[in-house]
This record gives sequence, structure tokens and C-alpha cells, in this order.
Amino acid sequence: GIQVEQSPPDLILQEGANSTLRCNFSDSVNNLQWFHQNPWGQLINLFYIPSGTKQNGRLSATTVATERYSLLYISSSQTTDSGVYFCGTSYGKLTFGQGTILTVHP
Amino acid sequence: GAVVSQHPSRVICKSGTSVKIECRSLDFQATTMFWYRQFPKQSLMLMATSNEGSKATYEQGVEKDKFLINHASLTLSTLTVTSAHPEDSSFYICSARTPGEGYGYTFGSGTRLTVV
Repeated sequence: GIQVEQSPPDLILQEGANSTLRCNFSDSVNNLQWFHQNPWGQLINLFYIPSGTKQNGRLSATTVATERYSLLYISSSQTTDSGVYFCGTSYGKLTFGQGTILTVHP
Repeated sequence: GAVVSQHPSRVICKSGTSVKIECRSLDFQATTMFWYRQFPKQSLMLMATSNEGSKATYEQGVEKDKFLINHASLTLSTLTVTSAHPEDSSFYICSARTPGEGYGYTFGSGTRLTVV
């Protein structure tokens, strides 16, 4: 099956800083999503981005399918951005990376 | 947008009892739903794929007799943890493929199961 690796595993920021999270995947996929898991466990869909670039407010994502990676950019981070960020890829079944634990300090 | 509703959000049960978790697609039909399990500080692991009107497909290592899945309608899938043990305590999440292009998968809010 598809292997998904996320980096970094942990990230600590001061409020206002920018960050880049990376997701590498081992095979061709027809779906790639970025999620934010809040402290209550809910997975919030941030982006559906099998290829190209999308932006939503302070967040943006880029997937380069031919090179099998995706990046999630968070600009001007806020404490509410804290949580775990997962990427999930699929060609059929959705497979998750191990996640990046983001902590934003005031 | 598409919504997947999952209940209960939290349940505590005694060892040896069974617990049923419901997953409903509220505003769309889902012929396929997916059940995941997440241990603390770990990623989500796919347990099984639930297929409306037919048997579920279980991932390797998942006991089909312990985790009973029923997908009796186009909007409801249930996961029953039978003869629960403390090691079954975990966070269970369901999902469904969001209809239409460009939306991917939508997840329920999860069920935190504690077996005492």
C-alpha cells in the first residue's frame, strides 16, 4: 500500500510565525487531503489537493504529484492553530501520515 | 457541505459487554463508509470498509468477529465492538467519500470508547 511520511513530527512556534509542513507519499494518488485534528478529535478538512496550489486565508497548500509530495503553509500562526495536522492520500483507501504536532505559544 | 454524524461521542462500558457506534451521512448517500481507530498520540489506522448491502472488508489484523460492521442503508453504518476489553479502548472515527468532485473524504466527530 501507499506509504505516507510527514515532517516534522513536532513543531513549536511563537504566535505570528510562519511554518511549512511536508507530506511525502510513495506512489501515485488520486486524492490528497490535509486535515487539522482539534483537541476533541474532530478532523477538520483543510484542503483537498491532489495537485496544484490552493489558498484559504492564512493557510495554503501545494501538491507536486509528479514528485510525490505536498506542502502545507501556515502564515501568521495563531494559538488556535495548535493541534495535529495530518495528510491523507488515497488511490482507493485513505492512508494517513503520522501527523505533525503543532504548538503555537502566545 | 456534506456532514457525517457519529454517535455516541463518548462511551464507557464494562469488560465483556458490547458497544454500538453509529455513523450517518446526513445530507448525502454513502454506499461506502470507512472505520478508523486512533490510539493516543498516534495516527488513524483504517480498520474496515463498510459496503451498503454487502459484507464489510476488513484490514489485515482486524478481527471481524470482534468488530461487527453493518451497513444496512445508504446513510447508516454501525460498528459494534463485541465482548469489549480494556485494550479496545480507543478513539473510533468513521468517514465517507464526499459526493462530487474536489471534496475528498468527510469524517465524523469520533467516539471515545473506554472499557473498564
